Amino acid sequence: RKEVEQDPGPFNVPEGATVAFNCTYSNSASQSFFWYRQDCRKEPKLLMSVYSSGNEDGRFTAQLNRASQYISLLIRDSKLSDSATYLCVVNRNQGGKLIFGQGTELSVKP
Amino acid sequence: GAGVSQSPRYKVAKRGQDVALRCDPISGHVSLFWYQQALGQGPEFLTYFQNEAQLDKSGLPSDRFFAERPEGSVSTLKIQRTQQEDSAVYLCASSLLPSQGATGELFFGEGSRLTVL
Repeated sequence: RKEVEQDPGPFNVPEGATVAFNCTYSNSASQSFFWYRQDCRKEPKLLMSVYSSGNEDGRFTAQLNRASQYISLLIRDSKLSDSATYLCVVNRNQGGKLIFGQGTELSVKP
Repeated sequence: GAGVSQSPRYKVAKRGQDVALRCDPISGHVSLFWYQQALGQGPEFLTYFQNEAQLDKSGLPSDRFFAERPEGSVSTLKIQRTQQEDSAVYLCASSLLPSQGATGELFFGEGSRLTVL
């Protein structure tokens, strides 16, 4: 079993839809949590950090449930430009090594 | 350039050949990471340097894989006697601080796509 698990998708949604991605992690010692975005054949880039209190950045909302070891990302009012793979990432505070999930592919259609 | 630079962008090797992949991190970045990304998968950690010291090489899949960063800036990932299962994108990332655990921000290069025939 992988340390960080995601539904690989693809999620195909119309413009304007709300879409939610889920992620679970197995190591309870994990300290920090993030979502990265990766466009097709490009490098991953940090989208946002995830805090226990939940945090929002425009149309994007991230949530963390430490008790359930569960992380989520909600995208409201989807845009065509949101089409990408979303990677769930955790850090165990061991030299800054980030552990990536498989990624969830999102395709937003007109 | 301002970002992480990797070369070559594409490499085709015959099985059994040795390959060397280069990473030029952002100037002044202390930490450097190598990740391997297979098709349809997330990046898998290979190794981590803090300046010239290789602090973690737990992700290197076999002793055919070797990485170095002799002067604390440019790094090279070497794969000896390549196998077909080595085909993947090799991503290099750097970060300013010794540990980016808190901020999580790694700056990735575009990767070196290795195809082993």
